[in-house]
Amino acid sequence: AQSVSQHNHHVILSEAASLELGCNYSYGGTVNLFWYVQYPGQHLQLLLKYFSGDPLVKGIKGFEAEFIKSKFSFNLRKPSVQWSDTAEYFCAVNAQTGRRALTFGSGTRLQVQP
Amino acid sequence: NAGVTQTPKFQVLKTGQSMTLQCAQDMNHEYMSWYRQDPGMGLRLIHYSVGAGITDQGEVPNGYNVSRSTTEDFPLRLLSAAPSQTSVYFCASGQGEGTGELFFGEGSRLTVL
Repeated sequence: AQSVSQHNHHVILSEAASLELGCNYSYGGTVNLFWYVQYPGQHLQLLLKYFSGDPLVKGIKGFEAEFIKSKFSFNLRKPSVQWSDTAEYFCAVNAQTGRRALTFGSGTRLQVQP
Repeated sequence: NAGVTQTPKFQVLKTGQSMTLQCAQDMNHEYMSWYRQDPGMGLRLIHYSVGAGITDQGEVPNGYNVSRSTTEDFPLRLLSAAPSQTSVYFCASGQGEGTGELFFGEGSRLTVL
């Protein structure tokens, strides 16, 4: 079974600072990778996804993530954060074959100070 | 387009009581699932279904039952609630066998006293 680790549990940044949230997964086969975002009081929404091809994927609201297969990583980045990016961010993975249920990391709470 | 609808949004139970969390989706998705969200633990999969009549256990299935009699509905049943089941529950649906692109409901906050 796959597992996902998010090492940053709580990140505090000032507006305009750059963001990088770490995500590492453990699985022996080929995976799909995702970042979901949960804004305060709202449900989870898909931020971006990687299935195959270009390992640098771009999502909504200026976010991007890079898949580094050799490091089993899928880190989320944004060059300049805004106060409205305050949210909890979840990395998730599922296997491309076999049991394909989505496994989530424990989440990273991002607080952006104006 | 309502998407994924969960009811109730809030519920307080006493230990040993039973209840059902309802989930309905109007996107004709084959895949539906239930997660619980606890602080510091992210979302953990309880049960999932890849189509009507088919269900399977996730990571934390104990204490929960599910059924999938129609494509649209996927209720989650707590037969005898315990304080350890205090959590926020999310229902999610997606196309196919769960390609990972899931659409979530707004959540149901359950407190068991």
